Amino acid sequence: SQQGEEDPQALSIQEGENATMNCSYKTSINNLQWYRQNSGRGLVHLILIRSNEREKHSGRLRVTLDTSKKSSSLLITASRAADTASYFCATVSNSGNTPLVFGKGTRLSVIA
Amino acid sequence: SAVISQKPSRDICQRGTSLTIQCQVDSQVTMMFWYRQQPGQSLTLIATANQGSEATYESGFVIDKFPISRPNLTFSTLTVSNMSPEDSSIYLCSATAGGQIGVYGYTFGSGTRLTVV
Repeated sequence: SQQGEEDPQALSIQEGENATMNCSYKTSINNLQWYRQNSGRGLVHLILIRSNEREKHSGRLRVTLDTSKKSSSLLITASRAADTASYFCATVSNSGNTPLVFGKGTRLSVIA
Repeated sequence: SAVISQKPSRDICQRGTSLTIQCQVDSQVTMMFWYRQQPGQSLTLIATANQGSEATYESGFVIDKFPISRPNLTFSTLTVSNMSPEDSSIYLCSATAGGQIGVYGYTFGSGTRLTVV
């Protein structure tokens, strides 16, 4: 079952603009991860933030986590046409070997 | 991080037949997971595959319909049995080495796009 909602469901922006996607979840977590999927293919891991972290950066990506609100956001700065993809948040409830539980995803279109 | 080779990448199958999807990991992994992604939707966990024991299925998925094998720590198969058009989806396998998820997250195969006609 899906962990929660992501919004927006779809986002269309111009190249160079920033894109912000939000994710909410329902249960307590060990960590939250963001993945990208191009054209219905395999998922690529983007970034992981642990439950005791509030913000993390990786290149043009910035993720925040608010465990009190059970929410996270992914910011992509200076977007490029190549960033066009679906983005999913996924949570891990315990450390180790539990499966990811995915949100519904945001479809991002970056227009050149 | 581990690399997963998944095949076939796509297939068109007749209803009533079965398809076996294979995932080969380039290193030993503790856990493997199988997901289904229906058109335009997110990923739904089908089952968790442990080496040496029966797979653990999520609610709504049964072994007779989705038998899974995990003969060793680098390989797993998912069979979609007695297919109907409703089984048309992308099927993905995923793996984690457990202790490595803190850095690399989970690894995914490239997916199998199944169309049942």
